[in-house]
Amino acid sequence: GENVEQHPSTLSVQEGDSAVIKCTYSDSASNYFPWYKQELGKRPQLIIDIRSNVGEKKDQRIAVTLNKTAKHFSLHITETQPEDSAVYFCAAPPPGFQKLVFGTGTRLLVSP
Amino acid sequence: GAVVSQHPSWVICKSGTSVKIECRSLDFQATTMFWYRQFPKQSLMLMATSNEGSKATYEQGVEKDKFLINHASLTLSTLTVTSAHPEDSSFYICSARDVGLAGDNEQFFGPGTRLTVL
Repeated sequence: GENVEQHPSTLSVQEGDSAVIKCTYSDSASNYFPWYKQELGKRPQLIIDIRSNVGEKKDQRIAVTLNKTAKHFSLHITETQPEDSAVYFCAAPPPGFQKLVFGTGTRLLVSP
Repeated sequence: GAVVSQHPSWVICKSGTSVKIECRSLDFQATTMFWYRQFPKQSLMLMATSNEGSKATYEQGVEKDKFLINHASLTLSTLTVTSAHPEDSSFYICSARDVGLAGDNEQFFGPGTRLTVL
């Protein structure tokens, strides 16, 4: 089955810096890669996703890049703000399944 | 659009009792819903995939007789934790896929239910 690994587990940055979180997946046939932001006690919120037919997608300060050859995808947050502090999860669906396998999460702390 | 609700948002029960959690898609139809469990500072762990009108598919290691899932309509799935014990205390989150978005993997999450078993 699909295995998703996520690094780092924690990331501390200063406000205004960039943050990068990386995930690797095991099944080369996976075709959908979402990123979720979860604040304490709240539901995961989809912040950006990418499909296997493109290599990069950007939405204001957030971008996701996909390297199908290396089987990894990364979340890039530029000009970080304290409100970006949260836990971020990547995910990927096992090919042929509707479910998602989640990474272990990255706790991002943005200090003012 | 794409709103998913859960009820209750939190529940405290005594050991040995059963608890039912509801997951509803409010503005779309969902043939498939998912139930996750999340322990503190951990990731979301899929418990089961709930399909409307058929039996749920449970992940390995999840007891189907303990975690009963019913998906009787296109907008409602329920999870019943039977004979709950303190180790079942967790944050239970559901998600749903929009049947109108065939082929789309996006899942819409409910706000979660915090279960505490005394």
